[in-house]
Order: sequence, then structure tokens, then C-alpha cells
Amino acid sequence: GNSVTQMEGPVTLSEEAFLTINCTYTATGYPSLFWYVQYPGEGLQLLLKATKADDKGSNKGFEATYRKETTSFHLEKGSVQVSDSAVYFCALGVYGNNRLAFGKGNQVVVIP
Amino acid sequence: EAGVVQSPRYKIIEKKQPVAFWCNPISGHNTLYWYLQNLGQGPELLIRYENEEAVDDSQLPKDRFSAERLKGVDSTLKIQPAELGDSAVYLCASSLSRGRGTNAMVLDTQYFGPGTRLTVL
Repeated sequence: GNSVTQMEGPVTLSEEAFLTINCTYTATGYPSLFWYVQYPGEGLQLLLKATKADDKGSNKGFEATYRKETTSFHLEKGSVQVSDSAVYFCALGVYGNNRLAFGKGNQVVVIP
Repeated sequence: EAGVVQSPRYKIIEKKQPVAFWCNPISGHNTLYWYLQNLGQGPELLIRYENEEAVDDSQLPKDRFSAERLKGVDSTLKIQPAELGDSAVYLCASSLSRGRGTNAMVLDTQYFGPGTRLTVL
């Protein structure tokens, strides 16, 4: 079946540091890949997406590239801010059933 | 444009009591989803509606959970009776689905509401 694996554990880093959150996936068909962000007390917000291999999604300084050869969709940001503190979820969906498979999420804490 | 609206935001009940959650999707969105998010986990789909038809309810525990979307707009998810293990966040999402037969093999983007946090005592 379709599944997403995110790196274990929370991520704590200082302001202006480089952020990477790893995401790998297993899928049948032609998946679309997503990163969602959940700020404290709020719902999930779509951060970026990529719909085919080698596509790069980007938004608010975050980027992720759909790598079919490594089945990965790692999230990166060059210089994080305190306001980026949130939980980040990698997700996968396959056209036809619209069911998103989410990873467990990573809590990111940015310290001033 | 208003986003997905859910109510209540928080609900505390005793076990064996019934509970209901309400969702109003983004205007014009024909597909509505209910997800369950346990603490420290990603959301898992419970049921998906296309207009008023439940097209994917394979993950819905039908012995105690029910849902309806009578007019193809807002939706209600009910639990009766609630159990301790039902404590979680219940998320509603909506999307504008492309028609069948389209050549665009791209997944529709789902937009999520803030969720209802249920605590069962």
C-alpha cells in the first residue's frame, strides 16, 4: 500500500539555521507528494506540493524535490525563523482515490 | 475566501455518551473528507464524500461512527457511544475534484479545517 516515513523525533535548531526534514515514500501508481504544516492550535495548511518526478515545490522559503529514484521528498529551508516552529507532515496521494497517506509528523522548534 | 469551518473546537464528554462534529467546507468544494488524528500521529482518513455520496468509508468504524452529508454541502460526524480510545482530533477537509474522464492525472489539493479536539473521560 501507500505509505510515508518521516525521520524520527523532534527537531530543535537555532534561528537562521538550515532545516532538513527527511521523507521517504512507498506508492503504487503515480503519487503526488505534499508537505503540510500545523501551527499550534491551528489546522493543517498546505505548504507545498509536487505532482511528478523531478518537480520542485516551494513556498515561504521552503523547498522539496520529488525524487523518484530515491523515493524521497525531503523538506529544506535555508534560514529558519522562530515563526517556523510547527509540526510538519509529509503526505502522499494517488490520483483516483484521493486518500492522503501522512507521515507521523516532525515537531520543529526554532530557538531565538 | 472562508476556509473549512468546524465546530465545536473542543469537546469533553464521558464515555458511552454520544457526540457530533460539524463541518462546512470551502464554498464550491464538492469533495469532503473526515480524518482522525491521534496524538503524535498523522491524520488517517475516515470517510470521503463526493457531493452527498460516501465514496470511501472503508476506514470508518461503522459500529459506532456514522456520518452524513445530506445536501452535498456541510457534514456531520457522529460517535455513539464514545469510548476512551476515541480521544483524538477530528479533522475535516475539502477539495474541488476534477470530473471523471479528465486527462489531468493530478490529485486534488485538500484544504483542512482547524479540527475538533475530543476528550473522552
